[in-house]
Amino acid sequence: RKEVEQDPGPFNVPEGATVAFNCTYSNSASQSFFWYRQDCRKEPKLLMSVYSSGNEDGRFTAQLNRASQYISLLIRDSKLSDSATYLCVPWAGGFKTIFGAGTRLFVKA
Amino acid sequence: NAGVTQTPKFRVLKTGQSMTLLCAQDMNHEYMYWYRQDPGMGLRLIHYSVGEGTTAKGEVPDGYNVSRLKKQNFLLGLESAAPSQTSVYFCASSFGSPSNSPLHFGNGTRLTVT
Repeated sequence: RKEVEQDPGPFNVPEGATVAFNCTYSNSASQSFFWYRQDCRKEPKLLMSVYSSGNEDGRFTAQLNRASQYISLLIRDSKLSDSATYLCVPWAGGFKTIFGAGTRLFVKA
Repeated sequence: NAGVTQTPKFRVLKTGQSMTLLCAQDMNHEYMYWYRQDPGMGLRLIHYSVGEGTTAKGEVPDGYNVSRLKKQNFLLGLESAAPSQTSVYFCASSFGSPSNSPLHFGNGTRLTVT
């Protein structure tokens, strides 16, 4: 089993839709979780940090399920500018930050 | 405020050639990292540094060397480039431990080895 697994997508959704991505991780010792977004041919940028059961920031909500070892990202009222690849990043100690391969999202007008 | 700056942005090498990628950050961050990103795969850590004068191996260090002579700079060297090193390389820095400090990435270097 890969350390971090994400559905590569792409997810194609219309503007205004709600979309959710799941990310499963294998290391039960993971303590912190991050979602980064990466635009095409650009560098990753931090979207959200999750240290407890979840986090919410405007239209974005992350929920953590430690028992099942997955974390989800929910985007409400999708905008064209949300089109990007979303990277799931669990942290399990030291400097071993494992990046998922990402989920691609396309939001269409 | 430039953040993290990488040079060069693009480079084409022939097998066996050497090169150095430069990363500079102006945020006074202690920690710096070099990652590579290949299609369909997540970013993989090559080497990292927890402070000036220190370096450590990451997940995929073979074929690369690094140096951190100054706090603001982190250099990645390829002594004898191989086609398997064709990739996009990202430098990153963080103020503190990756447990609670976000990584700030540079714009990336696209390297092709023929």
